[in-house]
Amino acid sequence: NAGVTQTPKFRILKIGQSMTLQCTQDMNHNYMYWYRQDPGMGLKLIYYSVGAGITDKGEVPNGYNVSRSTTEDFPLRLELAAPSQTSVYFCASSYSIVAGDLNIQYFGAGTRLSVL
Amino acid sequence: GEDVEQSLFLSVREGDSSVINCTYTDSSSTYLYWYKQEPGAGLQLLTYIFSNMDMKQDQRLTVLLNKKDKHLSLRIADTQTGDSAIYFCAERGDYKLSFGAGTTVTVRA
Repeated sequence: NAGVTQTPKFRILKIGQSMTLQCTQDMNHNYMYWYRQDPGMGLKLIYYSVGAGITDKGEVPNGYNVSRSTTEDFPLRLELAAPSQTSVYFCASSYSIVAGDLNIQYFGAGTRLSVL
Repeated sequence: GEDVEQSLFLSVREGDSSVINCTYTDSSSTYLYWYKQEPGAGLQLLTYIFSNMDMKQDQRLTVLLNKKDKHLSLRIADTQTGDSAIYFCAERGDYKLSFGAGTTVTVRA
């Protein structure tokens, strides 16, 4: 019953460093998402993927990159970390995004990132 | 501004009812959701309502939807300490969910 697993749980980066946030799901979901959650704000969609090999930008993609080489994994890469990227990052997955479908998204526990 | 708006804080006494309110903007939303986030955890789906319904009840939870006013509410009956959490309202768009900022519910003894 793993669901969506994110690693690491916490990380501190220096400005200009790079890192990859890992996300994996074992529910055979085609659709995966990366969100960031800033204090007092709703979740903002960074990138999403509708299947292996296919990714697309969300609302706030600048400063991030993603890849989707397998159904299970959807890593998020920060190339040149900036203080504005200090946030909590959530990965999610869902069975479908077809119009009219329920599209329940299942979330990981989050990665808390500080860029100093 | 945010597409989905919620008040940020709610304090309620144990045993009382909690009502969390939300307004949304997309009149074409097919589903509206309530997610719960406990400290240090991800979001978990609490309940949802289809846009052609105006009420849904699920044990202690009652969801009311006013499509005309684009207003959604979540009522938690007999609020318990375990209900302390952040509650997010979300509306379904074409391919994504749009979330409100979350309402932090604090249950006091």
